[in-house]
Amino acid sequence: ETGVTQTPRHLVMGMTNKKSLKCEQHLGHNAMYWYKQSAKKPLELMFVYNFKEQTENNSVPSRFSPECPNSSHLFLHLHTLQPEDSALYLCASSQVQGGDTEAFFGQGTRLTVV
Amino acid sequence: LAKTTQPISMDSYEGQEVNITCSHNNIATNDYITWYQQFPSQGPRFIIQGYKTKVTNEVASLFIPADRKSSTLSLPRVSLSDTAVYYCLVGDIRAGNTPLVFGKGTRLSVIA
Repeated sequence: ETGVTQTPRHLVMGMTNKKSLKCEQHLGHNAMYWYKQSAKKPLELMFVYNFKEQTENNSVPSRFSPECPNSSHLFLHLHTLQPEDSALYLCASSQVQGGDTEAFFGQGTRLTVV
Repeated sequence: LAKTTQPISMDSYEGQEVNITCSHNNIATNDYITWYQQFPSQGPRFIIQGYKTKVTNEVASLFIPADRKSSTLSLPRVSLSDTAVYYCLVGDIRAGNTPLVFGKGTRLSVIA
């Protein structure tokens, strides 16, 4: 248990579906991240939120839409995905301006697009 | 953002000490050196962090020379369960301007 919880753990969706991934952290952190990891590839940073404001968007297609309603919750809304979007999606949190010097990751959501 | 270079893969037998070196020639004054471990289908897990000299915890040791342009993660007496990908990151996430960017890491395979 890392203090970062992701749901669901597994998700299968069709290309025309709309779904959302949820991440919740119980660590009092103020920065949250979304990563994508395809099979046997490095983690790709997708989005970063500091103090609920998006500070990074690494050229992610618009079919991925993040939402950070408060510093404890982060969502990734998915729509009209492609099979190549199948991957492990990881959420992380950290503390900006003091506190923990490391990031904590959730267990990830294994997404399969059919 | 300081770039890091690590070996792509390493093999080791059980019980041996494993040393993984990371190069970070452009490390900045405020940057820390942090190592993460990732098992398949799981999120990375923090192992150890240091700024200079040597740091040791219950899992590993981290050696950092005076010029800080490289660092070495040392895993004593590895077991099969240490088979994982190890990432070296350089930066200061507390500053808020250094996003957590992971490189390709080093894939360690421990053989019985």
